[in-house]
Amino acid sequence: QSVLTQPPSASGTPGQRVTISCSGSSSNVGSNTVHWYQQFPGSAPKLLIHTNSQRPSGVPDRLSGSKSGTSASLAISGLQSDDEADYYCAAWDDSLNGPVFGTGTKVAVL
Amino acid sequence: QVQLVESGGGVVQPGRSLRLSCAASGFNFNIYGMHWVRQAPGKGLEWVAVTSSDGVYVYYTDSVKGRFTISRDNSKNTLYLQMSSLRPEDTAVYYCAKKKSGTFYELPDYWGQGTMVTVSS
Repeated sequence: QSVLTQPPSASGTPGQRVTISCSGSSSNVGSNTVHWYQQFPGSAPKLLIHTNSQRPSGVPDRLSGSKSGTSASLAISGLQSDDEADYYCAAWDDSLNGPVFGTGTKVAVL
Repeated sequence: QVQLVESGGGVVQPGRSLRLSCAASGFNFNIYGMHWVRQAPGKGLEWVAVTSSDGVYVYYTDSVKGRFTISRDNSKNTLYLQMSSLRPEDTAVYYCAKKKSGTFYELPDYWGQGTMVTVSS
């Protein structure tokens, strides 16, 4: 099963900006929208960003998403200690007839 | 509010079967497609199966085709995953997840808390 490629880790100090990349292909990111999820250990994923850049209600505007071609990115501004979590991108894959998920990025606040 | 509650997980021997259930509430279950997604211990998320709102269209990841069956009972607001010929590599937390909208190419928005399946002799 194809997966979307993310860096395994990212880190920053409180208040800094962290960016997570998500690289796919023409059958997924290149032709469909991207969602981003946050997951704490032992908990279910939570939707952070949908349709490339849209935030569900309750998600702070210091989180933002973007997409260009076959890549997408999630930016976390004003980094806080409770941003320490795993982050996954996802996109529908036309050849799979289902979603593919990113490899996941663990964010650490130093 | 949307609630998804999985059940049916446990420890099972290789080659045996197990049926997972996901009880849905807080939304109009019969107009949304649903996904099953799993996460092996210490690993990332892996999509398993999807069903349309009426259960007519179902798709699976290659590794479970012919062994797993996704189904739903809209009268009971419940999603199922029948798993057979289980393998050690099927060991994971299994999440049910609601599609964000009624379109076919839609990803999950709400997720259940998950149920653990361990395949071991």
